[in-house]
Amino acid sequence: GAVVSQHPSRVICKSGTSVKIECRSLDFQATTMFWYRQFPKQSLMLMATSNEGSKATYEQGVEKDKFLINHASLTLSTLTVTSAHPEDSSFYICSAGDSPPRTEAFFGQGTRLTVV
Amino acid sequence: AQSVTQLDSHVSVSEGTPVLLRCNYSSSYSPSLFWYVQHPNKGLQLLLKYTSAATLVKGINGFEAEFKKSETSFHLTKPSAHMSDAAEYFCVVSQGTSGTYKYIFGTGTRLKVLA
Repeated sequence: GAVVSQHPSRVICKSGTSVKIECRSLDFQATTMFWYRQFPKQSLMLMATSNEGSKATYEQGVEKDKFLINHASLTLSTLTVTSAHPEDSSFYICSAGDSPPRTEAFFGQGTRLTVV
Repeated sequence: AQSVTQLDSHVSVSEGTPVLLRCNYSSSYSPSLFWYVQHPNKGLQLLLKYTSAATLVKGINGFEAEFKKSETSFHLTKPSAHMSDAAEYFCVVSQGTSGTYKYIFGTGTRLKVLA
């Protein structure tokens, strides 16, 4: 149990276009989802926290209008990178947790975004 | 505020020798601590977790870690390294009181296993 599916695993897009990444909890209701960004050979940096049905809370320095997060249902959160530029190229990973919280969150497989 | 420090960015060991990856934490609360492994271009796999139960935690693939409150440490060990253990390892503390998923990641330790 406790599977989180992230899609797509890899995406290449042209500069100026938008890309949507999906994060689904397959066998539990994810009341809270987190989005992380990982630069090459670096650690994961939390971008935002989303709770189902409410606006996402962004970490300091993360552009809300650039990284749109929607958590419209208890099993799906999406991250849309708008007007993508090469500097947005990165590895994006989501995690999800239910309520009441278990002892750990569960991570998706990650999405490698390349903007050309 | 919570934080976690991984003391070594790179560790190299020979196959069959012990592995030690060091992690120190800072937390205002009783922390939940985790070790994750990440293979290249892959997601995260949970190795083990500490959540205020037994201080010696056994995980998958022969890994274990000991929570030492007096030393604020949670070092990861394995008696005998395998080639397949070569990967990036992250020590993680959960932020806030128990029952939160907001994780703070260490900077990672890249483990290299030499034949």
